[in-house]
Amino acid sequence: NAGVTQTPKFRVLKTGQSMTLLCAQDMNHEYMYWYRQDPGMGLRLIHYSVGEGTTAKGEVPDGYNVSRLKKQNFLLGLESAAPSQTSVYFCASSALGRGTDTQYFGPGTRLTVL
Amino acid sequence: AQSVTQLGSHVSVSEGALVLLRCNYSSSVPPYLFWYVQYPNQGLQLLLKYTTGATLVKGINGFEAEFKKSETSFHLTKPSAHMSDAAEYFCAVTGPSGSARQLTFGSGTQLTVLP
Repeated sequence: NAGVTQTPKFRVLKTGQSMTLLCAQDMNHEYMYWYRQDPGMGLRLIHYSVGEGTTAKGEVPDGYNVSRLKKQNFLLGLESAAPSQTSVYFCASSALGRGTDTQYFGPGTRLTVL
Repeated sequence: AQSVTQLGSHVSVSEGALVLLRCNYSSSVPPYLFWYVQYPNQGLQLLLKYTTGATLVKGINGFEAEFKKSETSFHLTKPSAHMSDAAEYFCAVTGPSGSARQLTFGSGTQLTVLP
């Protein structure tokens, strides 16, 4: 039982390049989330999904797209990377979307955009 | 909108000393409150949470937190710090609808444990 995994762990991009971050969970959770973590700002929600085939915007969605074609996977895409997207990205999942639910986090992807 | 304030971005304690990490929240309705811990180069993991019922919540690794409605606080404590407690700690609160997608995190407190 691996929990939540993320690939890659590190990535360096040049401005304007694109990339996709992959998140996978093996807990059969319905809800999945993408956050970004910046120094002194905690975690901010980018996009989330309430189930296979669904996605929705979070607090800071601009410049990102997501897809959830399979229940266990949640992809985060950057179509044209900008230096402001330099951050650590975390994926999380929860069984349901209730306020009391625990979110389970992956180990993160450290992205640098030059 | 809800918000979380963590007082002190960095806290240092000696091994064996009391750990106290402060968290204050604002919410227009009764909140659900969480403490998550992030060890170096890892994702966040849940330490404890308050939903309803007993206001003193016990978590993993000897940590506990008390929900004080009158003070809008949810401070995290541990009687005796261990070197392995060195990590970043995040307080979080869910929003008015009680939905997980409205989980708001504080800016974090980095705990250093001195030998």
